Amino acid sequence: GEDVEQSLFLSVREGDSSVINCTYTDSSSTYLYWYKQEPGAGLQLLTYIFSNMDMKQDQRLTVLLNKKDKHLSLRIADTQTGDSAIYFCAEKGDKIIFGKGTRLHILP
Amino acid sequence: GAGVSQSPSNKVTEKGKDVELRCDPISGHTALYWYRQRLGQGLEFLIYFQGNSAPDKSGLPSDRFSAERTGESVSTLTIQRTQQEDSAVYLCASSQGGSWTEAFFGQGTRLTVV
Repeated sequence: GEDVEQSLFLSVREGDSSVINCTYTDSSSTYLYWYKQEPGAGLQLLTYIFSNMDMKQDQRLTVLLNKKDKHLSLRIADTQTGDSAIYFCAEKGDKIIFGKGTRLHILP
Repeated sequence: GAGVSQSPSNKVTEKGKDVELRCDPISGHTALYWYRQRLGQGLEFLIYFQGNSAPDKSGLPSDRFSAERTGESVSTLTIQRTQQEDSAVYLCASSQGGSWTEAFFGQGTRLTVV
């Protein structure tokens, strides 16, 4: 069945780049998304990429898509303490499937 | 309203009781989704409403779960005879039409079954 996999934790020093990786199984996915969830808050759509693109950049965020390997990554440049959150990867096929989320911890 | 509103924000119930969770979507949003997030897990799709079309109920885990939506407004998710494994955060999202890129999530209802 459809599945989305992410590593559960990532620790990054403030000012460094964070790279969060995701793999998915549904080759018919049309959109792939990155959501951010801060403590006590709802999910916020950070960015998305259409499946016929291989890169999208939006300020400090860069999304890379390798459709052949079904691999998606989110790079956050110049990571700040406010970036501390859980990041969810999601794919849209027949319905939206989410990964378990990667908890990003910022080291001082 | 300004955003997706869910109520209650927290609910503690005894095993075997029925619960009703409410979602007020953003005005004008025709699509509404319910997801469940268990502790340490991703979001599990439960049900999807799109306008007047028949809802996609393929994610409902058992016949104890049901959901209704009145037109393009409020939705209620009902869990009958709650079990401890139903403990989770139940998230609602709405979007304008079927395009996910405009979907917004509510803050969720944290359900604890004791």
